[in-house]
Amino acid sequence: GQSLEQPSEVTAVEGAIVQINCTYQTSGFYGLSWYQQHDGGAPTFLSYNALDGLEETGRFSSFLSRSDSYGYLLLQELQMKDSASYFCAVVTFRENDYKLSFGAGTTVTVRA
Amino acid sequence: DTEVTQTPKHLVMGMTNKKSLKCEQHMGHRAMYWYKQKAKKPPELMFVYSYEKLSINESVPSRFSPECPNSSLLNLHLHALQPEDSALYLCASSQDRSATRNLYEQYFGPGTRLTVT
Repeated sequence: GQSLEQPSEVTAVEGAIVQINCTYQTSGFYGLSWYQQHDGGAPTFLSYNALDGLEETGRFSSFLSRSDSYGYLLLQELQMKDSASYFCAVVTFRENDYKLSFGAGTTVTVRA
Repeated sequence: DTEVTQTPKHLVMGMTNKKSLKCEQHMGHRAMYWYKQKAKKPPELMFVYSYEKLSINESVPSRFSPECPNSSLLNLHLHALQPEDSALYLCASSQDRSATRNLYEQYFGPGTRLTVT
């Protein structure tokens, strides 16, 4: 089977740093991706890790350790607009094609 | 144009109705997807089309029937749905798989909120 685990909720103040961890167990693992979804909105792509290490994209960074089956998304200089759900998603190759499978999501609430 | 459009935005249908959801993209993407999302849950993959051919069906009940008439359009035909099928149906697309990033980055439409009565 397949499992992805991430915390259900995180609350932090503006300007703070938040780390959302994601542990996974899956066959055919190819890489890890992160998506943001505001209430009532569509998921939007944030970052991906095909290889071990840190990828930085502005205020957001993502990390992957394949040996630990673990990754995280780091949100820096939090802003009110960062209040949203954040999903880690594994990319796997199965049935002759690639697919994205999402974790349950982490609701991030930013307080003033 | 970096947009995926979906129509209708909202749909209410009875269990005996037949309806269709439509999705369109003009980004030249060759992979298109249908996802189902329940409230406070993650998107769940239903179907993957690659170069207009169905490549993945996640054991979706036959009352959901996808169709990809051309590289820009994706339809989801609905028939004899159940109340538990009420959800947000999201369409997504991605570029061809030749570049690594394209495996991870999907562009989602705003979704169709479906209510089955």
